[in-house]
Amino acid sequence: DGGITQSPKYLFRKEGQNVTLSCEQNLNHDAMYWYRQDPGQGLRLIYYSQIVNDFQKGDIAEGYSVSREKKESFPLTVTSAQKNPTAFYLCASSISGGSGANVLTFGAGSRLTVL
Amino acid sequence: GQNIDQPTEMTATEGAIVQINCTYQTSGFNGLFWYQQHAGEAPTFLSYNVLDGLEEKGRFSSFLSRSKGYSYLLLKELQMKDSASYLCAVMDSNYQLIWGAGTKLIIKP
Repeated sequence: DGGITQSPKYLFRKEGQNVTLSCEQNLNHDAMYWYRQDPGQGLRLIYYSQIVNDFQKGDIAEGYSVSREKKESFPLTVTSAQKNPTAFYLCASSISGGSGANVLTFGAGSRLTVL
Repeated sequence: GQNIDQPTEMTATEGAIVQINCTYQTSGFNGLFWYQQHAGEAPTFLSYNVLDGLEEKGRFSSFLSRSKGYSYLLLKELQMKDSASYLCAVMDSNYQLIWGAGTKLIIKP
């Protein structure tokens, strides 16, 4: 079955450590996204990529980095520069960005807790 | 600034009907989406409206009024499995999604 796989589902990190969240899709989608979800807030866009080897900052990119070396993969690194990294992270993909009926397919999420 | 407003929480009874409202103020409009998200899980797509009117899909319907900056999601014949958060999102003129904080729907027997 086609879908998006995020790993790990739960992750604990000490302050000062970098961690990388994996996101893999087999839907042949061009566009991929990383969102952060905090209680009482809407999803906030961290980074997105519409094509391999290209990505753009979203609204809250500071303290995060991404790469898009393969169409299927869009890993997110949460660096030690991110001041408040404890959150639920969602990866998503769509057939293409920049169009109206751009339905997102989401992964199951990764919950990061900083100790 | 851009803003999406939805009620934080609603409670309804199994078998009943509930309407979840969403109002928006965005820079342009290229469609409105509703997603369902069960606790700790991925959001899943429910509906997309870009023209005014009602879109019906089984027990779920979604309505849009662009002139009023208003949408609602109507859920009929509520089932316990409908207990979830419902997220409203608007695509702005730059094709970026602006998300509401979500409405947590609690279904009671």
